[in-house]
Amino acid sequence: AQSVSQHNHHVILSEAASLELGCNYSYGGTVNLFWYVQYPGQHLQLLLKYFSGDPLVKGIKGFEAEFIKSKFSFNLRKPSVQWSDTAEYFCAVNARGNTGKLIFGQGTTLQVKP
Amino acid sequence: DAGVIQSPRHEVTEMGQEVTLRCKPISGHNSLFWYRQTMMRGLELLIYFNNNVPIDDSGMPEDRFSAKMPNASFSTLKIQPSEPRDSAVYFCASSLVAANTEAFFGQGTRLTVV
Repeated sequence: AQSVSQHNHHVILSEAASLELGCNYSYGGTVNLFWYVQYPGQHLQLLLKYFSGDPLVKGIKGFEAEFIKSKFSFNLRKPSVQWSDTAEYFCAVNARGNTGKLIFGQGTTLQVKP
Repeated sequence: DAGVIQSPRHEVTEMGQEVTLRCKPISGHNSLFWYRQTMMRGLELLIYFNNNVPIDDSGMPEDRFSAKMPNASFSTLKIQPSEPRDSAVYFCASSLVAANTEAFFGQGTRLTVV
């Protein structure tokens, strides 16, 4: 069965600090990987996605993620966070080629102090 | 496209009452997901459909919950009878599985059972 684990539940950073949020998944086959963001009171929006090709994926708002197949990881990074990045971040995975069951990690709340 | 449309946005009901949440997926999408989000349990997949057929309902908490997708443009999630512990935000999402695209989320329904 698929599962997703996010390492940090709550992260607090100052503006301009660098960010890395960990994500590991459990699945033996080929997967598609996603990071979603949920700003306070809003719905989930896609930050970036990986299907194939270059394992370093760039998304919106300066975010990027690196897929490391050998580590079953898809960590999210941003060199310099802003106050407006305060939100909850979700890693998600679905098994490629199946009917698209999309499983989310438990989420990481990021608080950026101005 | 207007995106995934959920109704109502907010619902307050008394314990024991029936609650019906509605979702209109993005036109042309062939997968639909229902998620429940709470502080304690995060984002849980309740059920998902592919081509209007329920594929996996293992996340449905108990028999009080039921979901239907009578056609490609409409789905409902029903709780009968409702209980206070059902209070949560319920999200609907849709995707086009064949194209390996991401899931798009609706704005959610905030359910409060008193």
